[in-house]
Amino acid sequence: EADIYQTPRYLVIGTGKKITLECSQTMGHDKMYWYQQDPGMELHLIHYSYGVNSTEKGDLSSESTVSRIRTEHFPLTLESARPSHTSQYLCASSEDRDTGELFFGEGSRLTVL
Amino acid sequence: GQNIDQPTEMTATEGAIVQINCTYQTSGFNGLFWYQQHAGEAPTFLSYNVLDGLEEKGRFSSFLSRSKGYSYLLLKELQMKDSASYLCAVMDSNYQLIWGAGTKLIIKP
Repeated sequence: EADIYQTPRYLVIGTGKKITLECSQTMGHDKMYWYQQDPGMELHLIHYSYGVNSTEKGDLSSESTVSRIRTEHFPLTLESARPSHTSQYLCASSEDRDTGELFFGEGSRLTVL
Repeated sequence: GQNIDQPTEMTATEGAIVQINCTYQTSGFNGLFWYQQHAGEAPTFLSYNVLDGLEEKGRFSSFLSRSKGYSYLLLKELQMKDSASYLCAVMDSNYQLIWGAGTKLIIKP
């Protein structure tokens, strides 16, 4: 069973607010990822990290930032939320980049009014 | 560009067999993955193919043909709990996963 946790599970906020979505894993995985997924649509990679102090942008520019100060923690921050940021955010980790088996958290569903 | 194509929705009967197809065009190839995603939940890993051929795991099997850019997921002895979306993903030459939009599988009694 995967041990990767996301908080909050659900969040409703107003436009312009700053928010941080938390993601923690206890598996010691070096690789961590943030995806955005709208209903019935494919997952889009927002950010990823291959280890401490390593972060990269994915193919979706979501005006967000991430940090990786500790192996187990990979928070995602939106500096100024907009209605277009309303979506499901999924955090994932993997032990081995090459085999690609990802373990996902339960997701954070964000609604921006 | 890179793209993954799979049917949007399929319907099958409990106890039957269903095949979900996936075709892909990507920059390089480092493996193909199938994930299952129940409504409102996170995806869970089902299978990984990097060489041509069939991989069997219980009621689920996955097939790959790299020359044709084609894969399928075969589900046997369907159960109601198999109702879910099935996501096909390909790892490209940069080891990034390119995801399909998923196939919603509806199982009827």
